[in-house]
Amino acid sequence: AQRVTQPEKLLSVFKGAPVELKCNYSYSGSPELFWYVQYSRQRLQLLLRHISRESIKGFTADLNKGETSFHLKKPFAQEEDSAMYYCALSGRRGGGSEKLVFGKGTKLTVNP
Amino acid sequence: DTGVSQNPRHKITKRGQNVTFRCDPISEHNRLYWYRQTLGQGPEFLTYFQNEAQLEKSRLLSDRFSAERPKGSFSTLEIQRTEQGDSAMYLCASPGRRGNTIYFGEGSWLTVV
Repeated sequence: AQRVTQPEKLLSVFKGAPVELKCNYSYSGSPELFWYVQYSRQRLQLLLRHISRESIKGFTADLNKGETSFHLKKPFAQEEDSAMYYCALSGRRGGGSEKLVFGKGTKLTVNP
Repeated sequence: DTGVSQNPRHKITKRGQNVTFRCDPISEHNRLYWYRQTLGQGPEFLTYFQNEAQLEKSRLLSDRFSAERPKGSFSTLEIQRTEQGDSAMYLCASPGRRGNTIYFGEGSWLTVV
């Protein structure tokens, strides 16, 4: 069964502190993992994907197949990072255009 | 590539009424997805189209729900005899022109009273 677990519903940090949003997944096969972000009053948008191995807005995420995790990290949080963050997976067949399975999301608040 | 548009953005309806939502996806891509999102949950897959063919439907899609994509371009999602449990955000998504990322619309909020 495909499943994405985000254990923290809420996460609150101070500006400049490191932040880690946890994501664990269950999938029989080779999934593609994503982080989506939703800022207040905006649409859901892609933040990053594991296959790109890129850093977006200072965020990185490493796929750990042994621990089936894809945690999102940023060394120094900024107030503008406050948003809902969703971890998602899809199968690899479509090169990224397969349907997504989402976690329940983590609401990150960065306090001044 | 953020060109997925949905309407209406908000709909309040009485229980038992029918509602229809429309999605205009990013052009030049043949896949289109519908998701539902309720408070405190991530988006949940409902159904998807490849061109005009509806290829997969989730168990969440009861027989009161019907989705169409008549010409392989825009899509509609109709809910008949709405129930309070149908209150949710209905999201449409499509891959971008390069086909390697799924982009979401702003969603259609449904409130059933």
